[in-house]
Amino acid sequence: EPEVTQTPSHQVTQMGQEVILRCVPISNHLYFYWYRQILGQKVEFLVSFYNNEISEKSEIFDDQFSVERPDGSNFTLKIRSTKLEDSAMYFCASSERGGDTEAFFGQGTRLTVV
Amino acid sequence: GENVEQHPSTLSVQEGDSAVIKCTYSDSASNYFPWYKQELGKRPQLIIDIRSNVGEKKDQRIAVTLNKTAKHFSLHITETQPEDSAVYFCAASIRGYSTLTFGKGTMLLVSP
Repeated sequence: EPEVTQTPSHQVTQMGQEVILRCVPISNHLYFYWYRQILGQKVEFLVSFYNNEISEKSEIFDDQFSVERPDGSNFTLKIRSTKLEDSAMYFCASSERGGDTEAFFGQGTRLTVV
Repeated sequence: GENVEQHPSTLSVQEGDSAVIKCTYSDSASNYFPWYKQELGKRPQLIIDIRSNVGEKKDQRIAVTLNKTAKHFSLHITETQPEDSAVYFCAASIRGYSTLTFGKGTMLLVSP
């Protein structure tokens, strides 16, 4: 069964550094997403991406964050100047269509900012 | 924006019992309501979903009900088994948007 894959599984970074989280969505999917989950809290939407541009973003997704699809397979989340409060599990997801279709999640990248 | 509340936060049942998890949503424009199961250290996986044009959907031991008037939906698991132990998340999506708004999750523990 096709899966969304994320790398790395765990990333430790120093406060103020930049990190790039990588995702390979399912190949025939057109919509890509990033969500995050701070320990003990709910899964929160960050951004969705369709047709090579951001289609929706939350208030969390400020100028510190950016997304990119650098080639035909990867989808990346860049976090600039990381803060302690950026520590969370970051999930990538993809869906064949938007709206009321299943979103398939990756296993997540646990980001720890120290 | 949408807000999803989920209860209870933890639920302990004996094997064979039924489990019910309830969610409410705030935006009447929401039309898609998936439920995800997340086992420890694993990815969230869709177990069942329901769209606003139906009131109930069943898949073997799992069922979901939707009350659009009251803006709530529930997950029902019958004949629970230890392997049902996991965190369950409800979510809602507003018509025309692909964003999912999640509830806080329910940790279900099924004791043998």
